[in-house]
Amino acid sequence: AQTVTQSQPEMSVQEAETVTLSCTYDTSESNYYLFWYKQPPSRQMILVIRQEAYKQQNATENRFSVNFQKAAKSFSLKISDSQLGDTAMYFCAFGRYGGSQGNLIFGKGTKLSVKP
Amino acid sequence: DTEVTQTPKHLVMGMTNKKSLKCEQHMGHRAMYWYKQKAKKPPELMFVYSYEKLSINESVPSRFSPECPNSSLLNLHLHALQPEDSALYLCASSLGAGGSYEQYFGPGTRLTVT
Repeated sequence: AQTVTQSQPEMSVQEAETVTLSCTYDTSESNYYLFWYKQPPSRQMILVIRQEAYKQQNATENRFSVNFQKAAKSFSLKISDSQLGDTAMYFCAFGRYGGSQGNLIFGKGTKLSVKP
Repeated sequence: DTEVTQTPKHLVMGMTNKKSLKCEQHMGHRAMYWYKQKAKKPPELMFVYSYEKLSINESVPSRFSPECPNSSLLNLHLHALQPEDSALYLCASSLGAGGSYEQYFGPGTRLTVT
């Protein structure tokens, strides 16, 4: 069974600085997908970034980028130029390749606070 | 339109009440999900519908009854709930039911059982 571990329950960063959130996972599969979702306080969860395991290139979306280390089963999220609006719970999630099992395996989350 | 809508936003119900939560999407997605989320915890999957058929039931008590009347609509019928069922109930949808698809989440219904 797959597991996802986020070892940092809470983090804080000053506005405009860079922060990295860590995520490790365990799987015996070779093809899979990894996601970072963001859930701001009292607002809905949205996808931040998605990585396909068979792609070696790290995914990027504007100020958000990942460091995907497949052999180490590590999938960290880097937020550059942090903004107050980045304050949120961040969940790392694992998705199996193919099939009809659409369930994501979520980590326990990291609460990020961006301070002015 | 990339929106998943949920009604009501808040619901307070007694343990003997019957109520329903509603979720709607018009993105042409063929998979829809119900999650339960407690404060400061990740969402816990309850049910998955794929092409309007129930494909996953994560051993959810029978007091929760899902229904998918059509590809755009998902309901969750509630009956004889317990106080520990108080939580944020999230609906999500995705283009397909495989683990590769991005899930779009609704804002949730905050349920309080008294």
